[in-house]
Amino acid sequence: GQQVMQIPQYQHVQEGEDFTTYCNSSTTLSNIQWYKQRPGGHPVFLIQLVKSGEVKKQKRLTFQFGEAKKNSSLHITATQTTDVGTYFCAGPPSDSGGYQKVTFGTGTKLQVIP
Amino acid sequence: KAGVTQTPRYLIKTRGQQVTLSCSPISGHRSVSWYQQTPGQGLQFLFEYFSETQRNKGNFPGRFSGRQFSNSRSEMNVSTLELGDSALYLCASSFRDGFYEQYFGPGTRLTVT
Repeated sequence: GQQVMQIPQYQHVQEGEDFTTYCNSSTTLSNIQWYKQRPGGHPVFLIQLVKSGEVKKQKRLTFQFGEAKKNSSLHITATQTTDVGTYFCAGPPSDSGGYQKVTFGTGTKLQVIP
Repeated sequence: KAGVTQTPRYLIKTRGQQVTLSCSPISGHRSVSWYQQTPGQGLQFLFEYFSETQRNKGNFPGRFSGRQFSNSRSEMNVSTLELGDSALYLCASSFRDGFYEQYFGPGTRLTVT
């Protein structure tokens, strides 16, 4: 079945440093979404990417969807303590025939040291 | 606009029992998906309902079932509970079917003893 791996699994950064998490799928995705889950909270939708090579920015966050639509990245510039949480990517395989079975990535847990 | 609500928030059950969890989506959202989250397996997709029809099902045994009502509210049932069913069960709603922008509820923390 489809597997979605994220690296790194954990990341500790000093406040103000940059952070990047990478998402790699074993199959081509029809779209990819990113979610953030704060400790003790629930996932919160950040963004959806649909097109091959698409890049989207949200303030200090930059999201990319790979040309082959099998990988994606999230880059945070100048991290802040409010960025603490686990970041998940998720997407349905493109060959799902209209029924979209979603696989969430393994997640990257970000800790920001003030 | 009120968010996704889930009841109960916490639940303790004994192995072999059954449990029913409830989810009320955001008003106007017709798609409801359920997920299981555990430290070991991460976030796993259970099933999706749209307009009272199950559109998708993840790789879970038949003990896990669900339904959606005409007002889009959804319930999830787990029969013959096992220790491994202890998890956070998350419900998410979306305006359209398929995997699009999803709004998650706070979850139900189920502990099976």
